[in-house]
Amino acid sequence: KQEVTQIPAALSVPEGENLVLNCSFTDSAIYNLQWFRQDPGKGLTSLLLIQSSQREQTSGRLNASLDKSSGRSTLYIAASQPGDSATYLCAAANRDDKIIFGKGTRLHILP
Amino acid sequence: SAVISQKPSRDICQRGTSLTIQCQVDSQVTMMFWYRQQPGQSLTLIATANQGSEATYESGFVIDKFPISRPNLTFSTLTVSNMSPEDSSIYLCSVWGTVDTEAFFGQGTRLTVV
Repeated sequence: KQEVTQIPAALSVPEGENLVLNCSFTDSAIYNLQWFRQDPGKGLTSLLLIQSSQREQTSGRLNASLDKSSGRSTLYIAASQPGDSATYLCAAANRDDKIIFGKGTRLHILP
Repeated sequence: SAVISQKPSRDICQRGTSLTIQCQVDSQVTMMFWYRQQPGQSLTLIATANQGSEATYESGFVIDKFPISRPNLTFSTLTVSNMSPEDSSIYLCSVWGTVDTEAFFGQGTRLTVV
């Protein structure tokens, strides 16, 4: 059974810093891994999708990497801004056709 | 991409009653899912909504409590039955076109049971 873990659970950093959010998964038989952002009381916004055959994806200040062999993905945020404050969720799309989520990292960017 | 309309966006319900949540997608999709997000928690998969057949439920979720319908490839409903305060959560509909594409989510239904 797939388990997805995110570290840290919460993170506060000053504005302008670069930061890394970590995601690990126990079953490497995935179709893809997706990173989402969730603002308080809101739904999910898709940030990046990495296919199982890919190593990384980039969108603006965001870069996500995937290492299937070690069961890890990272989300790198460059030059953080207060507007980046949110909860970030990673989700693994499994070969049993289910998407399993981690518990998320609550990010707070200090102005 | 897929645009998902989920209704209602929020509701406050009396215990013992039932609420039906609707999920409408702007295109035909292969897979639709229902998730629950309890306060301060991540998303937990309730079930896979199968078109034309009974939904597939995850461990801990049963059809009598969470009946699901999916009459076609663009629409599904989730009913939360005989509600108690413990059912207070956000319920989210998700769609997946094919296994190597993005998953998309509705904006969720915030349910409060009093």
